[in-house]
Amino acid sequence: GIQVEQSPPDLILQEGANSTLRCNFSDSVNNLQWFHQNPWGQLINLFYIPSGTKQNGRLSATTVATERYSLLYISSSQTTDSGVYFCAADTDKLIFGTGTRLQVFP
Amino acid sequence: DGGITQSPKYLFRKEGQNVTLSCEQNLNHDAMYWYRQDPGQGLRLIYYSQIVNDFQKGDIAEGYSVSREKKESFPLTVTSAQKNPTAFYLCASRQIDGYTFGSGTRLTVV
Repeated sequence: GIQVEQSPPDLILQEGANSTLRCNFSDSVNNLQWFHQNPWGQLINLFYIPSGTKQNGRLSATTVATERYSLLYISSSQTTDSGVYFCAADTDKLIFGTGTRLQVFP
Repeated sequence: DGGITQSPKYLFRKEGQNVTLSCEQNLNHDAMYWYRQDPGQGLRLIYYSQIVNDFQKGDIAEGYSVSREKKESFPLTVTSAQKNPTAFYLCASRQIDGYTFGSGTRLTVV
């Protein structure tokens, strides 16, 4: 089955810094979704992006489907951005990566 | 408000007992999913259902069972055959612009 890999596994930033999270997937997918899991476990949808670039405030995502990767950009990070970021490949069911744990310190 | 409701939030079970986790949605979505998350891990698919009265096994279905008698409801039963049931369980539904998740049930076997 399809494999989804995320990097880096852990990321520590100071407030105000920018970061890029990467998601590689091993085969063609219908779509690609990014989530933020907060400390209470809730999965919050960030982007559903089969290709191209989308932006929402300080966050943006780019998927290059032909090269099987997606990037999540976080600019001017805040402490509330802390948590785990997951990407998931949509093949009529979501296949998750292992996540990037982000810690933002003041 | 439309969404997915999972209950209970916390559940404790004695070894050898079956337990059923509830997942209800009022979004009118056809497809629903159950995932399991272990500490520090990603989510793994247990079962999914694309339509009422039909469901398929995911990657880790052993020791679990589901039913889909109504569009709004997709309960998950964790049976005594599940060797290590302590985990965080998340239910989801799919719409045209992505998946929506419930807030999860934390199951602990005592």
